[in-house]
Amino acid sequence: NAGVTQTPKFQVLKTGQSMTLQCAQDMNHNSMYWYRQDPGMGLRLIYYSASEGTTDKGEVPNGYNVSRLNKREFSLRLESAAPSQTSVYFCASSVWDRVTDTQYFGPGTRLTVL
Amino acid sequence: RKEVEQDPGPFNVPEGATVAFNCTYSNSASQSFFWYRQDCRKEPKLLMSVYSSGNEDGRFTAQLNRASQYISLLIRDSKLSDSATYLCVPRQGGGGATNKLIFGTGTLLAVQP
Repeated sequence: NAGVTQTPKFQVLKTGQSMTLQCAQDMNHNSMYWYRQDPGMGLRLIYYSASEGTTDKGEVPNGYNVSRLNKREFSLRLESAAPSQTSVYFCASSVWDRVTDTQYFGPGTRLTVL
Repeated sequence: RKEVEQDPGPFNVPEGATVAFNCTYSNSASQSFFWYRQDCRKEPKLLMSVYSSGNEDGRFTAQLNRASQYISLLIRDSKLSDSATYLCVPRQGGGGATNKLIFGTGTLLAVQP
């Protein structure tokens, strides 16, 4: 059971380049999330997918797009990278019920945009 | 006012000490609260969930004060392995699959030998 996996672990881009961050979970969770973490700030939600077939904007969606490919996979795309998108990106998944709501995180992707 | 406020620390404590962190939140509708632990350059991991007035798990105790809108985390008999950043995380709203977690910036704990 790998949990939540993310690829790549590290990436350097030039301004204007595009890339897709991949995320997969093997826990049969319905909900998946993309966060970014910057120094001195809490994790901020970029996009989330409450269930397969749905996606919604979070707190900081500008400059990003997402695809919920199937129940397991949720990708994040940067169409035209900017230096302000230099950050650590975490994918998470959860199975929500009225009692619990534990989010399990992947190991993160460290992205630098020059 | 920030949605979640935590003292960033660092809290430098000797092994065996008891240490407490406080967290205040602004959304009075939050019903569920979590403490996550994040080691340096690693992903956050759930430490404790708090759904009523508090929760205890071994050396860790979380207390919730809804009237004052703060949550605390108490760590007894600190170990070197407790060194990490502790994130206070209210869940926005009263429940539902689309309710989102709001992450604090964290409190850094450094346990000294």
